[in-house]
Amino acid sequence: EPEVTQTPSHQVTQMGQEVILRCVPISNHLYFYWYRQILGQKVEFLVSFYNNEISEKSEIFDDQFSVERPDGSNFTLKIRSTKLEDSAMYFCASSLIGTSGYNEQFFGPGTRLTVL
Amino acid sequence: AQSVSQHNHHVILSEAASLELGCNYSYGGTVNLFWYVQYPGQHLQLLLKYFSGDPLVKGIKGFEAEFIKSKFSFNLRKPSVQWSDTAEYFCAVNARFSGGYNKLIFGAGTRLAVHP
Repeated sequence: EPEVTQTPSHQVTQMGQEVILRCVPISNHLYFYWYRQILGQKVEFLVSFYNNEISEKSEIFDDQFSVERPDGSNFTLKIRSTKLEDSAMYFCASSLIGTSGYNEQFFGPGTRLTVL
Repeated sequence: AQSVSQHNHHVILSEAASLELGCNYSYGGTVNLFWYVQYPGQHLQLLLKYFSGDPLVKGIKGFEAEFIKSKFSFNLRKPSVQWSDTAEYFCAVNARFSGGYNKLIFGAGTRLAVHP
């Protein structure tokens, strides 16, 4: 069964450093998402991406964040200058949808980001 | 704005007990509804979903949920829980309209602990 994959599974970085989290969505999916879950809190939407551009972003997704689909298979989340409060589990998701509006998102296993 | 409320943050049950986890959402339009499960150390997995049709939906592992539109609710049920159901359960909602980039709004989650 096809699945969303994410690398690395765990990333440790120093405050102020740039990190890139990588995701490979399911191959025929068209819509891509990033969510995050701070330890002990709910899963929060960060950004959605379709047709090589951002469709929607939350207030969390400020200028420090960017997303890219560099090569038609990977979908990346970059944090330019990490802060302590960026420590969280980051989930990538993808979905395939037609015009019906039904939207089932498939989640990857997550990348645990720890900012020291 | 859409929001999702899960009333029980922690639930402790003995094996074979019945389970009902509450979920209410606020959104006036047509919605897709989901329950996800996160087993310890694992990623989010879809338990079941409601898009349209029969408001009683059956998912994996014996779980079911009932959509009651008048109550804006989508409660999760299982008649007899097992120790292996110990996990965190998340209710999620997205608005259904044309276009696939609908973000999921998650509830805060319910931690279920099942004792043998």
